[in-house]
Amino acid sequence: DAGVTQSPTHLIKTRGQQVTLRCSPKSGHDTVSWYQQALGQGPQFIFQYYEEEERQRGNFPDRFSGHQFPNYSSELNVNALLLGDSALYLCASSSSKTGAGDGYTFGSGTRLTVV
Amino acid sequence: LAKTTQPISMDSYEGQEVNITCSHNNIATNDYITWYQQFPSQGPRFIIQGYKTKVTNEVASLFIPADRKSSTLSLPRVSLSDTAVYYCLVVPSNTGFQKLVFGTGTRLLVSP
Repeated sequence: DAGVTQSPTHLIKTRGQQVTLRCSPKSGHDTVSWYQQALGQGPQFIFQYYEEEERQRGNFPDRFSGHQFPNYSSELNVNALLLGDSALYLCASSSSKTGAGDGYTFGSGTRLTVV
Repeated sequence: LAKTTQPISMDSYEGQEVNITCSHNNIATNDYITWYQQFPSQGPRFIIQGYKTKVTNEVASLFIPADRKSSTLSLPRVSLSDTAVYYCLVVPSNTGFQKLVFGTGTRLLVSP
């Protein structure tokens, strides 16, 4: 049973460029959340998608946007990249039928470096 | 969401028991206490979750006192591979649409 798959694993972009990160959720999961993790910090919630709609959002600017497809996979888009956007971007999938915090499966992340 | 406080770092040796305590003074009635483990360049991995008293699985034990204002993650006989960051989270149980709120975690270093 495949877990959460993220691509690419590493990415280097230049300031001002745009980037798209991809996530395939664990089989049986219908909800996808994205997190940003700066070096030495805990993951910070960006937003969550369910039924192809953004359900809730963290404190991130509109440069961060996302999409969920009918097969539950998701994309994270970041426009006008800043040096401060350099981080590990994590995708977590879960089931809408599962409560509490034990049903989340994280991918290994995409390491984004902005130069 | 209840804020959590845990030590920034801990050191241990192989074979010892490690206890990491987390404070969550403002925990709500419907909140669960959940612990995640994270290795470098990997996503967090669920370890254990509890509501009250004691929970044990094949990896760890979680002790929660009656007032639920703190909890202790216990790792028995740690090995070098237990070197990781451990996060304590408080998560409402009402729906599946939770946003997990991570602090900076506890960095555990296990030495030979």
